[in-house]
Amino acid sequence: QKEVEQDPGPLSVPEGAIVSLNCTYSNSAFQYFMWYRQYSRKGPELLMYTYSSGNKEDGRFTAQVDKSSKYISLFIRDSQPSDSATYLCAMTRGSNYKLTFGKGTLLTVNP
Amino acid sequence: DVKVTQSSRYLVKRTGEKVFLECVQDMDHENMFWYRQDPGLGLRLIYFSYDVKMKEKGDIPEGYSVSREKKERFSLILESASTNQTSMYLCASRPPGPSNQPQHFGDGTRLSIL
Repeated sequence: QKEVEQDPGPLSVPEGAIVSLNCTYSNSAFQYFMWYRQYSRKGPELLMYTYSSGNKEDGRFTAQVDKSSKYISLFIRDSQPSDSATYLCAMTRGSNYKLTFGKGTLLTVNP
Repeated sequence: DVKVTQSSRYLVKRTGEKVFLECVQDMDHENMFWYRQDPGLGLRLIYFSYDVKMKEKGDIPEGYSVSREKKERFSLILESASTNQTSMYLCASRPPGPSNQPQHFGDGTRLSIL
């Protein structure tokens, strides 16, 4: 079983849709969870960061962590064409440990 | 804003060549990382460095080495390039401390080995 599983998509939605992106993981030691957004031909940029279980909201984006199920989600409300990108989940045990990434989900928001 | 600069966006080299990929960050970060990104495989950590002259192997160090002579610069070296090292290479940096300090990435070097 891979440490982090992420559906690669592609996922195509109409503008204004609610998007749900998900990752599952197997290592119960992971405590810090991140979502990165990567536009074509660019490096990943940090979108959301959460520690342990719970929700975090930032504008149209909500990150959710369920440690009991080893499941994290990123919700995008009122999706825009500018949200079209690859979304990578990432997680780590702590500051002295490396990040483990999901393979990324390619999202296209159609105008 | 943190700026991580990779010296080349696109690079074409021949098998057997020694290849240098350079990365510079402008935020005095101690931690620097080299990844490669391949379709279907995601980001894989090659090497990382916690400080000047320090280096640690990541998940796939074979065929690579690194150099960190100055804090702001982290170089990835392909000792004898092979076609299976054709990939997108990403450099990242982060400050030390709590894990809520994110890694900041450069825009990558797309390397082709012919």
